[in-house]
Amino acid sequence: AQSVTQLGSHVSVSEGALVLLRCNYSSSVPPYLFWYVQYPNQGLQLLLKYTTGATLVKGINGFEAEFKKSETSFHLTKPSAHMSDAAEYFCAVSEGGSNYKLTFGKGTLLTVNP
Amino acid sequence: DSGVTQTPKHLITATGQRVTLRCSPRSGDLSVYWYQQSLDQGLQFLIQYYNGEERAKGNILERFSAQQFPDLHSELNLSSLELGDSALYFCASSEGVIQYFGAGTRLSVL
Repeated sequence: AQSVTQLGSHVSVSEGALVLLRCNYSSSVPPYLFWYVQYPNQGLQLLLKYTTGATLVKGINGFEAEFKKSETSFHLTKPSAHMSDAAEYFCAVSEGGSNYKLTFGKGTLLTVNP
Repeated sequence: DSGVTQTPKHLITATGQRVTLRCSPRSGDLSVYWYQQSLDQGLQFLIQYYNGEERAKGNILERFSAQQFPDLHSELNLSSLELGDSALYFCASSEGVIQYFGAGTRLSVL
């Protein structure tokens, strides 16, 4: 069975500071990994994904994540936080096959301070 | 805009009642997924349909059911509602690995 652990339910950074949101996964097969962002009262928007190939993946809004198989991690980073990045971020894993159901972490609320 | 439409946006009902949530997938997407987001359980996969047929089931209660119609829209039926069913219900559609989410239906059971 697949699972996702997001360390830190709440992360607070200053505007312009590095953003680091941690995600560790468990999967019995090579995983597909995703980061989604949820703004208040909105749905989930895909930030980036890892399926195969390059382990450093770039997404929208300046975010990137690195797949590290040996550490079973897929941490999300952004060099410089912007006020508009304040939202809840979800890491998710899918095992593929005939069903791409997503298993989500519990989410990390990112606060950006001026 | 993800291209996935969910209606209604908000639903307020009483315990014991039955409601239907509707989802229109992105044009061309054959797969529809339903998820429930609640404060205590987080985001949980409920059920998946692919081209009208049930493909996978997750933590879906027996009081809940879903179907996908020939035009590929899907409905999630929730019956004998309880206070604990209050949550945000998301639909997502895909043609492969990436799922695109609708804005959700917020269900409040009073």
